[in-house]
Amino acid sequence: AQRVTQPEKLLSVFKGAPVELKCNYSYSGSPELFWYVQYSRQRLQLLLRHISRESIKGFTADLNKGETSFHLKKPFAQEEDSAMYYCALGSGTYKYIFGTGTRLKVLA
Amino acid sequence: ETGVTQSPTHLIKTRGQQVTLRCSSQSGHNTVSWYQQALGQGPQFIFQYYREEENGRGNFPPRFSGLQFPNYSSELNVNALELDDSALYLCASSSGQGVEQYFGPGTRLTVT
Repeated sequence: AQRVTQPEKLLSVFKGAPVELKCNYSYSGSPELFWYVQYSRQRLQLLLRHISRESIKGFTADLNKGETSFHLKKPFAQEEDSAMYYCALGSGTYKYIFGTGTRLKVLA
Repeated sequence: ETGVTQSPTHLIKTRGQQVTLRCSSQSGHNTVSWYQQALGQGPQFIFQYYREEENGRGNFPPRFSGLQFPNYSSELNVNALELDDSALYLCASSSGQGVEQYFGPGTRLTVT
């Protein structure tokens, strides 16, 4: 079955500390993986996708097919990173499967 | 270039009623997907429309139906509303299948 698992509902870190938001997936084909972010009172927006292999706002994510993971990392958290983060799997050609999300709180 | 818009912002319906939600896709996008997001959950795929044809469907009953118009805007219709249909309904548009989707702000539906 196709599935995305985000094991942490809430992750609290102090400003300047490293952040790792976990995402594991289950998919039999070649996956397309994304991280979406939702800041307070804003719409869901794409943060990054594994194909582009870029760093956005200091965040990176590496696809590990052996561990079926796509964890989101940032070396030094900032208060403005506080938001809801969703990992999503592009399934076939037409739909996303989202995880349940992790709320990141960066404490001053 | 305008983003994805949805209407209404929120509405309240009674169990058994019918509802229509609307979505205008981003300029240049021909694909619209609809998602249901229950409280505390991630968005769940309902269906997708590509060039006015349904292009894929998630695990939702037939009382969830949709349309896409020639200008690529879209409607989501839900018949015989149930209490569990209370959720945020998100529309997302893209320039094709399997590419980045841009989300609207959502419509919050409450069924009483």
